[in-house]
Amino acid sequence: GAGVSQSPRYKVTKRGQDVTLRCDPISSHATLYWYQQALGQGPEFLTYFNYEAQPDKSGLPSDRFSAERPEGSISTLTIQRTEQRDSAMYRCASSPGGGGLTNEKLFFGSGTQLSVL
Amino acid sequence: AQTVTQSQPEMSVQEAETVTLSCTYDTSESDYYLFWYKQPPSRQMILVIRQEAYKQQNATENRFSVNFQKAAKSFSLKISDSQLGDAAMYFCAWSGGFKTIFGAGTRLFVKA
Repeated sequence: GAGVSQSPRYKVTKRGQDVTLRCDPISSHATLYWYQQALGQGPEFLTYFNYEAQPDKSGLPSDRFSAERPEGSISTLTIQRTEQRDSAMYRCASSPGGGGLTNEKLFFGSGTQLSVL
Repeated sequence: AQTVTQSQPEMSVQEAETVTLSCTYDTSESDYYLFWYKQPPSRQMILVIRQEAYKQQNATENRFSVNFQKAAKSFSLKISDSQLGDAAMYFCAWSGGFKTIFGAGTRLFVKA
């Protein structure tokens, strides 16, 4: 697509429910990142993909968080048994080069605002 | 682990004046890149400026320029001739080893 698309834009869920967030990166982009951004804070790295490979998931806060990118394009971030502390903006970003080249600009989606009640 | 510190939670500047936002970082790597991103109220993330660590020359993009001090691990952003549209959160970011790390941000207010 023309830009990075995330859905849903807003998600309200009850504590204990599972949620799945979707990211559709720019079609030519090899690298995809997930970030968590609390209100008034900077984005915190969760994980990234190089095509379908997931070389680094060190930022995932617990085993309740998982991400997939099975065909190297669309990615999903799943949070199981949600907790109130999971409430945040979840941002997806992509960049053109494979291997997560450090000099590349990140193209961010609009984010999914998750609220866990 | 790499860290990025923005010590100014908020800054204020008069329209048409100049303001400098501070950023320091910590890394043991020699090859990396530094960025400033702007986040307006729409919460989009917009790249403002980028600096390669191996370049001594400071990057400039129109009214935006940086003061990069590699030895001091400092990367400040200067906004000249500030405009009302510059009001936003500004995030400093370090990128290396396939990861981009962001600071906590500085909220910039622009007074008319």
